[in-house]
Amino acid sequence: GAVVSQHPSWVICKSGTSVKIECRSLDFQATTMFWYRQFPKQSLMLMATSNEGSKATYEQGVEKDKFLINHASLTLSTLTVTSAHPEDSSFYICSELEGSRETQYFGPGTRLLVL
Amino acid sequence: GESVGLHLPTLSVQEGDNSIINCAYSNSASDYFIWYKQESGKGPQFIIDIRSNMDKRQGQRVTVLLNKTVKHLSLQIAATQPGDSAVYFCAENEGTGRRALTFGSGTRLQVQP
Repeated sequence: GAVVSQHPSWVICKSGTSVKIECRSLDFQATTMFWYRQFPKQSLMLMATSNEGSKATYEQGVEKDKFLINHASLTLSTLTVTSAHPEDSSFYICSELEGSRETQYFGPGTRLLVL
Repeated sequence: GESVGLHLPTLSVQEGDNSIINCAYSNSASDYFIWYKQESGKGPQFIIDIRSNMDKRQGQRVTVLLNKTVKHLSLQIAATQPGDSAVYFCAENEGTGRRALTFGSGTRLQVQP
């Protein structure tokens, strides 16, 4: 399946700062990528769909001005958590869609801890 | 709320036994289902998928069964090994052209040596 990387793998930041997480498709061009958030011992919750060259589509309840998504190239999508607060501490995972199929392949995740 | 859920939060099996992880879904329009394995601190790993026009699909040591009548999905793991210990999620695609997945709540599989 597709190979996806994320950077950084973990990050600790102070409350009020912004954090950027990168998601890269390593083996093919991904026009669509997804961003999920996962709290401890919970399932994955979709935050937004990232479309190359256009605006991201956010799920209900996810603030687009707080979670900025940029998908400027076919191999890179970024998620920026702006003015992070402790409640934003979570495991953020991206995925990419393999071609015309609906199969999603996931990155290794980024652990964010906001102090 | 979530349209995909699981019957058992934790499943403990002996090494070598077969494991069965179940999942119920509520959206009858869903036409594509995937099972993922997630180890601690890692992203979900694709295991096997199945389309709604099938009721069974086999992979290496794994089998997925789909019962559309009762909206039930199961993952069978043969000869379970310690390396199979993880949280398993089922996920569905709603089949509305929206390509995102909805995930179930997950089942933790513990393999006893």
